Amino acid sequence: EAGVAQSPRYKIIEKRQSVAFWCNPISGHATLYWYQQILGQGPKLLIQFQNNGVVDDSQLPKDRFSAERLKGVDSTLKIQPAKLEDSAVYLCASSTGGNTIYFGEGSWLTVV
Amino acid sequence: DQQVKQNSPSLSVQEGRISILNCDYTNSMFDYFLWYKKYPAEGPTFLISISSIKDKNEDGRFTVFLNKSAKHLSLHIVPSQPGDSAVYFCAASEGTGGFKTIFGAGTRLFVKA
Repeated sequence: EAGVAQSPRYKIIEKRQSVAFWCNPISGHATLYWYQQILGQGPKLLIQFQNNGVVDDSQLPKDRFSAERLKGVDSTLKIQPAKLEDSAVYLCASSTGGNTIYFGEGSWLTVV
Repeated sequence: DQQVKQNSPSLSVQEGRISILNCDYTNSMFDYFLWYKKYPAEGPTFLISISSIKDKNEDGRFTVFLNKSAKHLSLHIVPSQPGDSAVYFCAASEGTGGFKTIFGAGTRLFVKA
C-alpha cells in the first residue's frame, strides 16, 4: 500500500515569496491533516479535513496560510507571503477517521 | 500552552537495558494516547497507542502505561536495541477520529551498542 506522498521535499525561498506544498493521502483515507514542525518541537496541527470539508483550522494563520482539498483527495497548502519563522517541515498525514495518523516524509521549507 | 509535555529532550540507554520515556498532559478531555517514532528525514510513524479505559497496552518490546489520575503516560522499551535510536513523540487526542491530536516536543533516544 502506497504511503502519504508529498512534494516538493525541499524548498528554499526568500521572505515575502510564496510557496505551495502538495499532498496525496493514502487511498481511501477520508481524513487529511497538515502539521507544521519547527526544529526541536513537536508537530503542530494547522488544519484537518474530513473529505473536502474543514474540521479544524483554529491554528492556521489565515492571513498568510491557505489550504484546500478539492474532490476530497489531494490537498495543497500555500503560504503567501512567507516569513522567516515559517521555516519548518510541513507534514501531511491521513487517516481512516480513527486515531492513528499516517504521516508523509514531509516538505522542508527554508525561508531566507 | 503545552497540553502535552515531554520534559526530557534526550535519553541515553545501553543496548539490552530498558528505555523509559515519559509524557505528561494537562487536558482532562484527552482520552486516547499514542506514541510515534521518527527517524531523521522521515515522517513520524505510529508505534503504539492506549485508550483511557486501559492502564497498560503491550506490543512486543513496547509497553505503554497510563496513569489517568496523574495525567502521565510512559513508554517502556525492553530490551532496547540500537535500531530504536530515534525521536519519540507522545500524542493525545479527544475521542475518536484523531480530533485535535496534540503532540509533545519529543524525546531523542540513543541506544548505545
